[in-house]
Amino acid sequence: LAKTTQPISMDSYEGQEVNITCSHNNIATNDYITWYQQFPSQGPRFIIQGYKTKVTNEVASLFIPADRKSSTLSLPRVSLSDTAVYYCLVGRMDSSYKLIFGSGTRLLVRP
Amino acid sequence: SAVISQKPSRDICQRGTSLTIQCQVDSQVTMMFWYRQQPGQSLTLIATANQGSEATYESGFVIDKFPISRPNLTFSTLTVSNMSPEDSSIYLCSVEDGGQSGTEAFFGQGTRLTVV
Repeated sequence: LAKTTQPISMDSYEGQEVNITCSHNNIATNDYITWYQQFPSQGPRFIIQGYKTKVTNEVASLFIPADRKSSTLSLPRVSLSDTAVYYCLVGRMDSSYKLIFGSGTRLLVRP
Repeated sequence: SAVISQKPSRDICQRGTSLTIQCQVDSQVTMMFWYRQQPGQSLTLIATANQGSEATYESGFVIDKFPISRPNLTFSTLTVSNMSPEDSSIYLCSVEDGGQSGTEAFFGQGTRLTVV
């Protein structure tokens, strides 16, 4: 199972773009990169998933370089409600695949 | 997508007792996963529950302490047995299902357990 490394915490201000980078040097060929968001007292929630290059949805963008050994979650113009813990996971896109969570990045958005 | 209901949402229990947590999914799924999240920590996988067979436990977790049932494809229970204050955590169940861009994990709201 590929291990991931993320910054423990990040601070930002409302309206700024936030980029959270995740390192996954041992990513396997079949692995996808998925990011989850967790608010206090809630279960994690899927944000975005990708395999290579760039993926964008209504919430975030995910940038994956050619070697796939890292990825960057980009949150455009964050608001106070984006304060949460963000987890980067790598693994097969397979419903029987167990997810192993790393430490995550605690993002604090200030007014 | 999948919607998961977990019960109870929270409980305060005496040490030495047991608590059974229920997880109901609105669709049939092959695997259900149980996680523990200790205060301020990340999620740790306890076990994988597959209908019709015994659960598969991760290192550090044993069946005697965390017995799991999986009677059908939409339901599972996790029991925390002979509880001690160290078992105070949030317990979450999860399934993986087709989502907006592939397979994604869906989580229940969690059960906040306090052992006194």
